[in-house]
Amino acid sequence: GAVVSQHPSWVICKSGTSVKIECRSLDFQATTMFWYRQFPKQSLMLMATSNEGSKATYEQGVEKDKFLINHASLTLSTLTVTSAHPEDSSFYICSATGLESTDTQYFGPGTRLTVL
Amino acid sequence: KQEVTQIPAALSVPEGENLVLNCSFTDSAIYNLQWFRQDPGKGLTSLLLIQSSQREQTSGRLNASLDKSSGRSTLYIAASQPGDSATYLCAVRSGGSYIPTFGRGTSLIVHP
Repeated sequence: GAVVSQHPSWVICKSGTSVKIECRSLDFQATTMFWYRQFPKQSLMLMATSNEGSKATYEQGVEKDKFLINHASLTLSTLTVTSAHPEDSSFYICSATGLESTDTQYFGPGTRLTVL
Repeated sequence: KQEVTQIPAALSVPEGENLVLNCSFTDSAIYNLQWFRQDPGKGLTSLLLIQSSQREQTSGRLNASLDKSSGRSTLYIAASQPGDSATYLCAVRSGGSYIPTFGRGTSLIVHP
């Protein structure tokens, strides 16, 4: 149980385009979803926290107009990188906590974004 | 602000060795501490979760200990195998926050 999926697993796009990444909780309802960014050999940095049906809370230094987060249902959150640039290339990971317990975050497999 | 440090940053050992990975944190008022495994280009797999009231957790060849007063946790891996090769991340959730702070990880290579 407690499986989180991400789609796509990797994406390559041209500079200036927008890319949407989906995060789904497959077998549980996720009250809260988190989006992280990870650079090579670095730790996970939290970008934003989203609760179903409400606006996301962004961490300091994260541009909310560039990284659009939508949490439309209890099983789906999307991250859209708008007007992507090479410096946005990174590994993006989502996680989710369930209705039953907020003790544990269940992580998705990640999405590798490369902006040319 | 909680800070999490993992030592060593990288480790290479021959198969069969017992090894210890270290995690230290600056604020001892934690809610829980979790150890994850991350394979290259992949997401995180939870290994062990230790609540603040616990001293250790065990799963198979893995044992994690927690000493809140000294701000330390160790992950002990017994009889290491090549399949254990991965990056191991420590994440600390502070009291009053549901967002964990991650260390940079220890990159482990177990060679045959």
